[in-house]
Amino acid sequence: TQLLEQSPQFLSIQEGENLTVYCNSSSVFSSLQWYRQEPGEGPVLLVTVVTGGEVKKLKRLTFQFGDARKDSSLHITAAQPGDTGLYLCAPVGGAGKSTFGDGTTLTVKP
Amino acid sequence: DTEVTQTPKHLVMGMTNKKSLKCEQHMGHRAMYWYKQKAKKPPELMFVYSYEKLSINESVPSRFSPECPNSSLLNLHLHALQPEDSALYLCASSQSLVTWAVHEQYFGPGTRLTVT
Repeated sequence: TQLLEQSPQFLSIQEGENLTVYCNSSSVFSSLQWYRQEPGEGPVLLVTVVTGGEVKKLKRLTFQFGDARKDSSLHITAAQPGDTGLYLCAPVGGAGKSTFGDGTTLTVKP
Repeated sequence: DTEVTQTPKHLVMGMTNKKSLKCEQHMGHRAMYWYKQKAKKPPELMFVYSYEKLSINESVPSRFSPECPNSSLLNLHLHALQPEDSALYLCASSQSLVTWAVHEQYFGPGTRLTVT
């Protein structure tokens, strides 16, 4: 099992603030995905990072894959209440099996 | 259509009941998954079907019985559950399980199960 540690576990900020969420492991991943899950819904894929050192942007969200492909980060600029949710990272590989990280619960207060 | 549907949305059952959760997708995906999720925790993988055959069983108790009648449908049959089995049950699908492909999982909204 590929163990993923996400930090922080909980984060509560005011609208307009910036934040970074981290996903770390001792294992090397072929690729890694970030999902967001809103209350009462299933997780929705935000991005897949494949290449070490890769940076992807999705509006106010910036995703980075570590050079060694063992870690990743998600940075949100000027957070909005609509960004509230559970953020999950998941490796892709093996027999199609993915194990999610512990998740970061983000609350953005208006 | 990138939708995975799940029914029912909510289910309350007693410990002696038998019930089934249903999941459907029409994206032509050949891999389907069942996850269990407790509040504020990540989804935990239970079962994976690939081309209608059970590929992964994460040591799930036999009171949970999956079934994949065809490539679009996935069921989870429940019998003699315990209160600690109360959780959100999520279904997902992806194009395939081929190891060299980066596959996206599409999740349904889940069934909120309460065992009394």
